[in-house]
Amino acid sequence: EAGVAQSPRYKIIEKRQSVAFWCNPISGHATLYWYQQILGQGPKLLIQFQNNGVVDDSQLPKDRFSAERLKGVDSTLKIQPAKLEDSAVYLCASTPGSTYNEQFFGPGTRLTVL
Amino acid sequence: AQKVTQAQTEISVVEKEDVTLDCVYETRDTTYYLFWYKQPPSGELVFLIRRNSFDEQNEISGRYSWNFQKSTSSFNFTITASQVVDSAVYFCALRPLNDYKLSFGAGTTVTVRA
Repeated sequence: EAGVAQSPRYKIIEKRQSVAFWCNPISGHATLYWYQQILGQGPKLLIQFQNNGVVDDSQLPKDRFSAERLKGVDSTLKIQPAKLEDSAVYLCASTPGSTYNEQFFGPGTRLTVL
Repeated sequence: AQKVTQAQTEISVVEKEDVTLDCVYETRDTTYYLFWYKQPPSGELVFLIRRNSFDEQNEISGRYSWNFQKSTSSFNFTITASQVVDSAVYFCALRPLNDYKLSFGAGTTVTVRA
């Protein structure tokens, strides 16, 4: 069974530029999560989707971050414009359902904002 | 709100030594799940173990074992006879039974030297 796929693996941009990350969850997984992991910290949930609907985006900085999951499968997370403090690893995870015990994580995208 | 504390920032051991990782948590929920995840240099978080709050039986799975003590809100994790491949960042996490949000600790970096 293929795992959670993410691309790109690495991205370097200058502040005020835009960037987008892509995630393809495990086939059949209805729930998709985006996390932000700042160096030296644990992951922090940004947004959760159930199929193509948003369940929780309370910790998403909506003035600059946006995410979509239009067809209920893959998802895109965008930052526009990026700030220095957005430098982090962005992790995508999926589960069959929202209350499933274990979340399956992708390899992440490491973003560096200069 | 949930809080997970991993007081150990880094641990360095020689191969074949045992490694114990400490985790202390705070929650107002009476039922919850506790997890340990491993994050190798490749980046993805790998699920290791899960424990329900209503089951304090401690178990061993291969070289992994855990000590869950609800009275002290601790969920410690031990790797027996460590190997170089165990070098990674280890995260403790908590999720209330009827919630989807995982709260992670800051992680403990384990380095196993040959």
